[in-house]
Amino acid sequence: QSVLTQPPSVSGAAGQRVTISCTGSNSNIGAGYDVHWYQQLPGTAPKLLIYGNNNRPSGVPDRFSGSKSGTSASLAITGLQADDEADYYCQSYDSSLTGSRVFGGGTKLTVL
Amino acid sequence: QLQLQESGPGLVKPSETLSLTCTVSGGSISSSSYYWGWVRQPPGKGLEWMGSIYYSGSTFYNPSLKSRLTISVDTSKNKFSLKLSSVTAADTAVYHCARLYDNGGYWRRYLDYWGQGTLVTVSS
Repeated sequence: QSVLTQPPSVSGAAGQRVTISCTGSNSNIGAGYDVHWYQQLPGTAPKLLIYGNNNRPSGVPDRFSGSKSGTSASLAITGLQADDEADYYCQSYDSSLTGSRVFGGGTKLTVL
Repeated sequence: QLQLQESGPGLVKPSETLSLTCTVSGGSISSSSYYWGWVRQPPGKGLEWMGSIYYSGSTFYNPSLKSRLTISVDTSKNKFSLKLSSVTAADTAVYHCARLYDNGGYWRRYLDYWGQGTLVTVSS
């Protein structure tokens, strides 16, 4: 059971908008620690998608955005494309587990 | 362009020690803003943070693995390594090495470069 909770799956039609939630607690997201998001395409290594809650690395399209409020964070993807189909993971820091990064369980995005 | 490459045995017997090395190219492992970490992913499952090391040798471990895990660094060879002792089938996973960027504090670090990963199977 992951410290950060994500829905196992989400889906949306091409061109639509989807959001993926990441729910934590007062020892991680709620404590003000940054949330980061990773995209893992099938058979590949994870790739940094969003860092510091809402920042995109160079090369990541602005269709991807992140937000954080209270003990939760969200990843939004607009203008869904077929090659967005992947697993998405949130990650933060947890102060109840000394020195430990924590991941969400991952969300499988299906583009219909 | 920074590259990380994992290497090591793909098959380890139960109760033995799993050993992997990550070779860093295209950048120095001794850079001050970076830590170097390991993340694993059991087949069909999610990511699990294992631990990280700074070039000075300071380590940070996932408490659930701390008693079995050792991460070390060899700055002269631009490599860092992982040893996981007393392995069981539950340790079967793809093991990724990654760079952890310090964006202004321990609570802000994120993984900006990843190795492709190497599958390690624990079986007799």
